[in-house]
Amino acid sequence: NAGVTQTPKFRILKIGQSMTLQCAQDMNHNYMYWYRQDPGMGLKLIYYSVGAGITDKGEVPNGYNVSRSTTEDFPLRLELAAPSQTSVYFCASSPRGSSNYEQYFGPGTRLTVT
Amino acid sequence: ELKVEQNPLFLSMQEGKNYTIYCNYSTTSDRLYWYRQDPGKSLESLFVLLSNGAVKQEGRLMASLDTKARLSTLHITAAVHDLSATYFCAVEKAGGFKTIFGAGTRLFVKA
Repeated sequence: NAGVTQTPKFRILKIGQSMTLQCAQDMNHNYMYWYRQDPGMGLKLIYYSVGAGITDKGEVPNGYNVSRSTTEDFPLRLELAAPSQTSVYFCASSPRGSSNYEQYFGPGTRLTVT
Repeated sequence: ELKVEQNPLFLSMQEGKNYTIYCNYSTTSDRLYWYRQDPGKSLESLFVLLSNGAVKQEGRLMASLDTKARLSTLHITAAVHDLSATYFCAVEKAGGFKTIFGAGTRLFVKA
């Protein structure tokens, strides 16, 4: 199993550009999450999904959009990038069943907006 | 609103010593998580605590949960340099899926 994979690893965007961060998992987990981590801080939840076709907002959803058309993929879309979106983005997945609530994290995408 | 506070935020300790990291949270929670993060890396799950009185141990780390006090502790026994990392607690809001992270405790174990 590859676990949770994210692409790209690094990206530099100009203000106003858009991009999609990709996240995929091969563990057949229903629950998936997007977090951002600013330097020296904890993670903040952007969006989450409890299954294909179902998404909901987290703590800091403004400026982002998500979709979940399959169990495996959970892309995060940035529209009109702003310097405040400079951060490291982590995707995670969880089975949330059979007493296993652990979240498995991807390697992260480091995004700089200039 | 759920708030999660960790202390201390920075901890420098000698090898062989014991210490405890505290995680307080403000409202009812369904689950509490502890993670480890090495510099420039992703998060590694350490423990998931599901109920009051839960205690879990792995090697030199032991985590416990007191839901009445809204407090979790991560106890380090006989620290070794390899434990140097940032440790986060995260709390899942009751009845939902939103997870709120603490600011993290940066641990440095001196050889």
